[in-house]
Amino acid sequence: KQEVTQIPAALSVPEGENLVLNCSFTDSAIYNLQWFRQDPGKGLTSLLLIQSSQREQTSGRLNASLDKSSGRSTLYIAASQPGDSATYLCAVTPRGGGTSYGKLTFGQGTILTVHP
Amino acid sequence: EAQVTQNPRYLITVTGKKLTVTCSQNMNHEYMSWYRQDPGLGLRQIYYSMNVEVTDKGDVPEGYKVSRKEKRNFPLILESPSPNQTSLYFCASSSFPLSISNQPQHFGDGTRLSIL
Repeated sequence: KQEVTQIPAALSVPEGENLVLNCSFTDSAIYNLQWFRQDPGKGLTSLLLIQSSQREQTSGRLNASLDKSSGRSTLYIAASQPGDSATYLCAVTPRGGGTSYGKLTFGQGTILTVHP
Repeated sequence: EAQVTQNPRYLITVTGKKLTVTCSQNMNHEYMSWYRQDPGLGLRQIYYSMNVEVTDKGDVPEGYKVSRKEKRNFPLILESPSPNQTSLYFCASSSFPLSISNQPQHFGDGTRLSIL
């Protein structure tokens, strides 16, 4: 059974700092990996999606990398801002064919606080 | 405006009283999914649907039912709710297949259920 772990559980940094969030998964047979952001009391917003054949994806100040063989992904946030404060979750979709492409297993998330 | 709409947003009910949480999307997405979010356990997938009349179990399907009679709707049914189903529930949708669309999931704002 796939297990997804995120470290650290919580992170507090001063504004302007570059930071890295970590995600690891136990089964490397994945189809893709996604990073999401969740604001308090809100649903999830998709940030980046990396297919298993890709090594990284970038969007603005965000860069996500994927090392499938070691079961790891990182989300790099450059020049953090107070507006980046939120919970960040990663999730993997298994490679299994058929309807298994619809499964999604989440990590528990990292609560990020960026203070001015 | 593209959106996923869940109803109700909040519900307090009693053990054993059947309830339905509705989910509707206006993006003509094939794929829809239900999740529950609990403190310390993160987000867990309950059921998902790849298209009309095609549904599959996620990681925690026990005690839930779903149906997909129309493309836009994917209701979550609790036939006999119990206190351990008290949780925050999210519905999501996306295009399918991901290998072609590469589009991320869109999430609703959540339904907070309390079962006494």
